[in-house]
Amino acid sequence: EAQVTQNPRYLITVTGKKLTVTCSQNMNHEYMSWYRQDPGLGLRQIYYSMNVEVTDKGDVPEGYKVSRKEKRNFPLILESPSPNQTSLYFCASSSGSPHHEQFFGPGTRLTVL
Amino acid sequence: GENVEQHPSTLSVQEGDSAVIKCTYSDSASNYFPWYKQELGKRPQLIIDIRSNVGEKKDQRIAVTLNKTAKHFSLHITETQPEDSAVYFCAASRIPTFGRGTSLIVHP
Repeated sequence: EAQVTQNPRYLITVTGKKLTVTCSQNMNHEYMSWYRQDPGLGLRQIYYSMNVEVTDKGDVPEGYKVSRKEKRNFPLILESPSPNQTSLYFCASSSGSPHHEQFFGPGTRLTVL
Repeated sequence: GENVEQHPSTLSVQEGDSAVIKCTYSDSASNYFPWYKQELGKRPQLIIDIRSNVGEKKDQRIAVTLNKTAKHFSLHITETQPEDSAVYFCAASRIPTFGRGTSLIVHP
């Protein structure tokens, strides 16, 4: 089954404790991205990747890191999480370019205390 | 960068009525305009999209119109049903920038 998976789905952590949210797709998509969703603010892009080893900042990259060592995986890293990073995070992928349908993962709800 | 404004933020209609959600964008180079539907607790899913060389596109009860000169595009849902209740997001630009979303409530 074609899909985008994220892990973990729920995470409660404390300020400053490094964490990684994994994202994987099995559709051989070149384009992958990370979004955060906050009430009233919609979906804001954190980082995106057009292909392996190619990443770029989105609208809200501060406090986040990403890597794209393999085509299928695009992990999101929070080196020192803070409470303002409490949010719902979505990973997405699309074929060829972002000008095609984006397939979203199930979401990761992160709480930073 | 691109700026996408979406209105209204909340839309309440009676079953069977039509619903219209409007978006404006700032980057004249934007050429792809998708609409996503997000049901409560679920992930966003594409419902319809339009490219800049097309003015209108329809898919059953859903249609999208695009006015490149005015830099705005709209989602039209006819004969609304309770299962249309969800948050709808528009997006624009080469690297998609999303609007803030419209919560559509369809009352039976």
